[in-house]
Amino acid sequence: EIVLTQSPGTLSLSPGERATLSCRASQSVSSKYLTWYQQKPGQAPRLLIYATSSRATGIPDRFSGSGSGTDFTLTISRLESEDFAVYYCQQFRDSPPVYTFGQGTKLEIK
Amino acid sequence: EVLLVESGGGLVQPGGSLRLSCAASGFTLSNYWMHWVRQVPGKGLVWVSRIDRDGSTRNYADSVKGRFTISRDNAKNTLFLQLSSLTAEDTALYYCGRAYAGYGAVDYWGQGALVTVSS
Repeated sequence: EIVLTQSPGTLSLSPGERATLSCRASQSVSSKYLTWYQQKPGQAPRLLIYATSSRATGIPDRFSGSGSGTDFTLTISRLESEDFAVYYCQQFRDSPPVYTFGQGTKLEIK
Repeated sequence: EVLLVESGGGLVQPGGSLRLSCAASGFTLSNYWMHWVRQVPGKGLVWVSRIDRDGSTRNYADSVKGRFTISRDNAKNTLFLQLSSLTAEDTALYYCGRAYAGYGAVDYWGQGALVTVSS
């Protein structure tokens, strides 16, 4: 079973700053199957990044993803007020099919 | 506009059963694999189950295998999750989601249905 560990647990930053969120896997993950979501309080998750670095429809270009193997990163270049939320990474592995989420990183206003 | 609307949540006693529904609109349900994902309030996301386009392939997380059954009615644009032998550990908000084909992701999510298992 692949475990995804996100760090830090909480990140306190100010609007305009750069945010770097980490997702580390216990085993190698296919880059095609590494995904990031954003979730705000009382809302469903929203797809941000798929296939490690591809932005989903309507996601602003201040969001970017990178990484390979066991280390993946979500970067928000210049934080805006609406970016403060919880971010989850997720991976998929087939045979047998398993979808695993990280525990989340809470991005809060400093 | 893609919309997913869950219903059927509620309070159920331990050992009881419940059926969740997810009404889909704004897209052709039969063209997509679908998922159920749950979240204990204040906690993280946990994948529960998925189903292929015609219902012939169904997969489950180990924690629910043998107790939950995913199904779909494409003619009625509805996804289902039958929950049985429920325990307190199944208390969660249950989201249905549309699979983002080929990438192991979920591109659209419903707002969730809350299931509370308690005596």
